[in-house]
Amino acid sequence: QKEVEQNSGPLSVPEGAIASLNCTYSDRGSQSFFWYRQYSGKSPELIMFIYSNGDKEDGRFTAQLNKASQYVSLLIRDSQPSDSATYLCAVDDNNDMRFGAGTRLTVKP
Amino acid sequence: DAMVIQNPRYQVTQFGKPVTLSCSQTLNHNVMYWYQQKSSQAPKLLFHYYDKDFNNEADTPDNFQSRRPNTSFCFLDIRSPGLGDAAMYLCATSTSGFNEKLFFGSGTQLSVL
Repeated sequence: QKEVEQNSGPLSVPEGAIASLNCTYSDRGSQSFFWYRQYSGKSPELIMFIYSNGDKEDGRFTAQLNKASQYVSLLIRDSQPSDSATYLCAVDDNNDMRFGAGTRLTVKP
Repeated sequence: DAMVIQNPRYQVTQFGKPVTLSCSQTLNHNVMYWYQQKSSQAPKLLFHYYDKDFNNEADTPDNFQSRRPNTSFCFLDIRSPGLGDAAMYLCATSTSGFNEKLFFGSGTQLSVL
């Protein structure tokens, strides 16, 4: 059984701080990794994706991947109250996309 | 705008009464997925279509069936809904190949009375 694990939180950070979200996965053969944001009662929307070891930056978001340790993380810089949501880690292996349960993030003004 | 559309947004059914959820897409993606998501849980993949090829997850109950009559449409049939089937049902699409992201519909929230 392929597993994707996340700390469910809630994670609370003050406005302007860095939020750090972590994810581990069990299948060493996994090739691509995604972070989705999901607001309450809404469907997930893609934030970032990463395929290679190292860091990938997009605006305030940085994804980090370490395949040897089987973890992927998401950093959100200058956190805003509008970033308050559940962040889902997803791991894809040839059209078999599996999600973690998500980490609930609250950014306090 | 190209998109993934799910209808209805909210669906109420009775215990044991068959229900069908629908999904359509204008993206011309060849892969379509159905996920079930319960409160505070991960979206759980039920099945997906790679073109017309149906791929069922091993732990998807027989109570759940799917149809894909053409590229644009995909249906989820729940033959005899139980109280435990109340959830958000998410349809998603992607192109085939390596590292393709999912495009989600807005979801259908199913209630079973």
